[in-house]
Amino acid sequence: EDQVTQSPEALRLQEGESSSLNCSYTVSGLRGLFWYRQDPGKGPEFLFTLYSAGEEKEKERLKATLTKKESFLHITAPKPEDSATYLCAVRLRGGGADGLTFGKGTHLIIQP
Amino acid sequence: EAGVAQSPRYKIIEKRQSVAFWCNPISGHATLYWYQQILGQGPKLLIQFQNNGVVDDSQLPKDRFSAERLKGVDSTLKIQPAKLEDSAVYLCASSLAFGRPTWQYFGPGTRLTVT
Repeated sequence: EDQVTQSPEALRLQEGESSSLNCSYTVSGLRGLFWYRQDPGKGPEFLFTLYSAGEEKEKERLKATLTKKESFLHITAPKPEDSATYLCAVRLRGGGADGLTFGKGTHLIIQP
Repeated sequence: EAGVAQSPRYKIIEKRQSVAFWCNPISGHATLYWYQQILGQGPKLLIQFQNNGVVDDSQLPKDRFSAERLKGVDSTLKIQPAKLEDSAVYLCASSLAFGRPTWQYFGPGTRLTVT
């Protein structure tokens, strides 16, 4: 059973066309939701951490929000360099075991 | 600061052969993780170390996979014998604190192809 589901799987936008990526989770006792960016042939790069419903974080053209059941990554006026796979992950385990459970990611393409 | 280092970057082996991957975390990071990322999927946690002790290896296929972090710094992940389904990118990550809210820094990964 998937605990982290991301949608859409792929998204193609024109430069400047704003949109949102979704991450829904079906776990209780969330101990942190993470957004990472992954470029081809590279490891994931940390973007944001959110811990409680209502929390928001911003970085350049990206804004992450969190509710009790899902998180959104809003991208405003994207540029071609924002093209990447965006991964959502949750921290589930307790007792110091804090490995992340990832979704499959959203492959984002920004066309000039 | 220097990032997480991994080697080799690429490896091709035949099924039933053995292979080992090496990871050097960011200096001062006590917690180290190994993840497996199959093409088109998100990373899946294999094992977590705190210093040189195992915190979580519940998803490690222990019949063929093993990992160690003898001196609490660098780590090695081994597969013996490899199967076709082990073809994936193996990512190493590290983080500064144990049990505290913090994020993980990932290395570039080792791409393994099993033929």
